[in-house]
Amino acid sequence: TQLLEQSPQFLSIQEGENLTVYCNSSSVFSSLQWYRQEPGEGPVLLVTVVTGGEVKKLKRLTFQFGDARKDSSLHITAAQPGDTGLYLCAGEGSGTYKYIFGTGTRLKVLA
Amino acid sequence: GAVVSQHPSWVICKSGTSVKIECRSLDFQATTMFWYRQFPKQSLMLMATSNEGSKATYEQGVEKDKFLINHASLTLSTLTVTSAHPEDSSFYICSAKGTVNEKLFFGSGTQLSVL
Repeated sequence: TQLLEQSPQFLSIQEGENLTVYCNSSSVFSSLQWYRQEPGEGPVLLVTVVTGGEVKKLKRLTFQFGDARKDSSLHITAAQPGDTGLYLCAGEGSGTYKYIFGTGTRLKVLA
Repeated sequence: GAVVSQHPSWVICKSGTSVKIECRSLDFQATTMFWYRQFPKQSLMLMATSNEGSKATYEQGVEKDKFLINHASLTLSTLTVTSAHPEDSSFYICSAKGTVNEKLFFGSGTQLSVL
């Protein structure tokens, strides 16, 4: 069974601070996605990384896929209250098109 | 962008009744749809993979006779929670994979409360 562990589980920070969320597994994934979810809504895709070592930037968010495609990180620079939400990584098993979600990181950014 | 519509958004039912949740891909064909459940403040747990025209593949621990999945067309998959009990109360979310690209599009979820 493929498991994706995210850390930290909870994070409460002040506006303007930086943070990093980690997504780790012992399994190799053909691709990995990051989502943000608001309460009562479905997850919204932020980014998909496919190549080991790949780095993608989305405004203040930087995503990195590990060289071995087993882990990933999400770094947010100068966090804002609008970044508050549940961040989920999701890995796709090789050739399965089936995504397994990480344990989630609940972020709260205080104004 | 691609849109996945999930209906209903909220449903409250009595224990012992069955509830059907629909997941539609509005502007693309989805050969594969996925059903997840999410308990409060937890992550999404994959319940089953639904393939158009064939039987769904259930994850370990998910009762296929309780959670009936039908994917009769390329744009519609349904999840029926049969003989619902309070412990089935959860947020159920579907996602659809397009035939053209590898992206996964999510519905807005259905909050089921069983009294």
